[in-house]
Amino acid sequence: RKEVEQDPGPFNVPEGATVAFNCTYSNSASQSFFWYRQDCRKEPKLLMSVYSSGNEDGRFTAQLNRASQYISLLIRDSKLSDSATYLCVVSNTGNQFYFGTGTSLTVIP
Amino acid sequence: EAGVAQSPRYKIIEKRQSVAFWCNPISGHATLYWYQQILGQGPKLLIQFQNNGVVDDSQLPKDRFSAERLKGVDSTLKIQPAKLEDSAVYLCASSGLTGRRFEAFFGQGTRLTVV
Repeated sequence: RKEVEQDPGPFNVPEGATVAFNCTYSNSASQSFFWYRQDCRKEPKLLMSVYSSGNEDGRFTAQLNRASQYISLLIRDSKLSDSATYLCVVSNTGNQFYFGTGTSLTVIP
Repeated sequence: EAGVAQSPRYKIIEKRQSVAFWCNPISGHATLYWYQQILGQGPKLLIQFQNNGVVDDSQLPKDRFSAERLKGVDSTLKIQPAKLEDSAVYLCASSGLTGRRFEAFFGQGTRLTVV
């Protein structure tokens, strides 16, 4: 079983739409959770950490449900510049980072 | 702050040849990772170093891949001999404490094509 599972998409949404990505993780002892963004032919970059209480950064909201081992990312008012692959990342006590396959998002004018 | 440096950016080799990649992590980061990212997939951890010791190399194909971090700073990843299925982007990352949690920072990667 994979450490992190994501729906690969692709998601094609119009500008201004709200889109949500989900992922699940298998290790209940996982410690830290993140969403990374990866643009085409670029390296992954941290988008936001995910906290148990949920957190928001502008148009982006991340949620964590430890009981269900489930992480989500909500993007409101999508912009063309949001087009990218969004990677769900989980790390454990050994400071190891496990990546999902990534969810591809294309925002259409 | 300088980021993770990797070289070369691109490499094309024939199968059965050897290749080496270099990484310089963010200053002060004790943990260094090598990931392999095949097109359309997420990064897969190959090896993790803590200073100059190996923490996890369970997914490193040891018959052909090797990595070292002799002085606990720079690292090299070698493939010998290369196979067609090794074509991928090889990402180096290092992690450091940001606030109360460790975050991973990536280099730009080396795009390897084996023909």
